Amino acid sequence: DAGVTQSPTHLIKTRGQHVTLRCSPISGHKSVSWYQQVLGQGPQFIFQYYEKEERGRGNFPDRFSARQFPNYSSELNVNALLLGDSALYLCASSLGLAGVRETQYFGPGTRLLVL
Amino acid sequence: KNEVEQSPQNLTAQEGEFITINCSYSVGISALHWLQQHPGGGIVSLFMLSSGKKKHGRLIATINIQEKHSSLHITASHPRDSAVYICAAVTSGSRLTFGEGTQLTVNP
Repeated sequence: DAGVTQSPTHLIKTRGQHVTLRCSPISGHKSVSWYQQVLGQGPQFIFQYYEKEERGRGNFPDRFSARQFPNYSSELNVNALLLGDSALYLCASSLGLAGVRETQYFGPGTRLLVL
Repeated sequence: KNEVEQSPQNLTAQEGEFITINCSYSVGISALHWLQQHPGGGIVSLFMLSSGKKKHGRLIATINIQEKHSSLHITASHPRDSAVYICAAVTSGSRLTFGEGTQLTVNP
């Protein structure tokens, strides 16, 4: 069975542009979470979606948005890119809401470079 | 001060040594994850625990809820254990709050 997949694997953009990152969860998983990992730091929570509804949002500006589709795949959108948005963007899926009884399974990440 | 802190930040060991990585948290949690991240970014979940101790192969994870502290131990370390180890606390709203990670290098 395929794990969590993300696309693209690498992306180079310039300041001010817009980017869309995609994530497909493990089959049967209904929850998708997005994380940003800046080089040398631990990941930071951006969003969690469950059953197509936003269930949590981290401390990120409104330039960051996401959605979950009926097939439970998800997109993360970032508008008006800044140099500081350069990071590894990780997607994780779980059967239900990530919590005590739910293990999150991480995708390989999308490495975004903003020039 | 970060809500989840790890120590040490960097750790170098010789093959065969016993390794301990520590994680402290300052907020209420419902569970804590230990994750392994290899170069290139892929993250693998090693343990999820809310009390006591778990063991998988050469890896052991413990948590003390009263002291708000968890440890990850690696017995008989091997160069293939070299990776970044991250603890992540399940905080309010079921979100994960991550530590900064511990870079482990095991030399042959």
